[in-house]
Amino acid sequence: SQTIHQWPATLVQPVGSPLSLECTVEGTSNPNLYWYRQAAGRGLQLLFYSVGIGQISSEVPQNLSASRPQDRQFILSSKKLLLSDSGFYLCAWSGLGISGNTIYFGEGSWLTVV
Amino acid sequence: GNSVTQMEGPVTLSEEAFLTINCTYTATGYPSLFWYVQYPGEGLQLLLKATKADDKGSNKGFEATYRKETTSFHLEKGSVQVSDSAVYFCALRERGSQGNLIFGKGTKLSVKP
Repeated sequence: SQTIHQWPATLVQPVGSPLSLECTVEGTSNPNLYWYRQAAGRGLQLLFYSVGIGQISSEVPQNLSASRPQDRQFILSSKKLLLSDSGFYLCAWSGLGISGNTIYFGEGSWLTVV
Repeated sequence: GNSVTQMEGPVTLSEEAFLTINCTYTATGYPSLFWYVQYPGEGLQLLLKATKADDKGSNKGFEATYRKETTSFHLEKGSVQVSDSAVYFCALRERGSQGNLIFGKGTKLSVKP
């Protein structure tokens, strides 16, 4: 069966510090991968998605970036965090074919920028 | 463009009460419809889905029927439990899409013993 893991689960970072959140998927090949953010009172927002290694689409301009160095690895980064980057970050994946229309989420990472 | 509208919460019910959370959508094509649940401090879990008109998704006592004529996908459960307390999100995705899930704003449910 397929599983998705992301880490760290929680982190507190000072303004201006870098960020790296990592996500891996197991049990599937060539998944579509996603990063979502859930800010307090603002619902779920798609940040990036990727359909293959090195292929990244950005949905919202911001100081975050994403990379996909391997087929089942997706990384969310920032060089300098802002207070407004605080939130709950969710990695997700979807497969191919008929089942590919369903997106499955990881456990989430709580980021607090202070 | 595509959109999802779900009833605003919070919704507070007593244990064993009947639950309905309304969800309506606007879509240009033939979307798949989903309900996700988020328990406190956790990620989103897929609760149920339906991929075409008149399909009924069901899981853990929850049900929702894809109604194309009313563009709705209301979530129901006959008897809620305290453990059902969570935030529920309705969402749609165009069939064959490699892009975004369109989410509603979420409905917080609290079930009191």
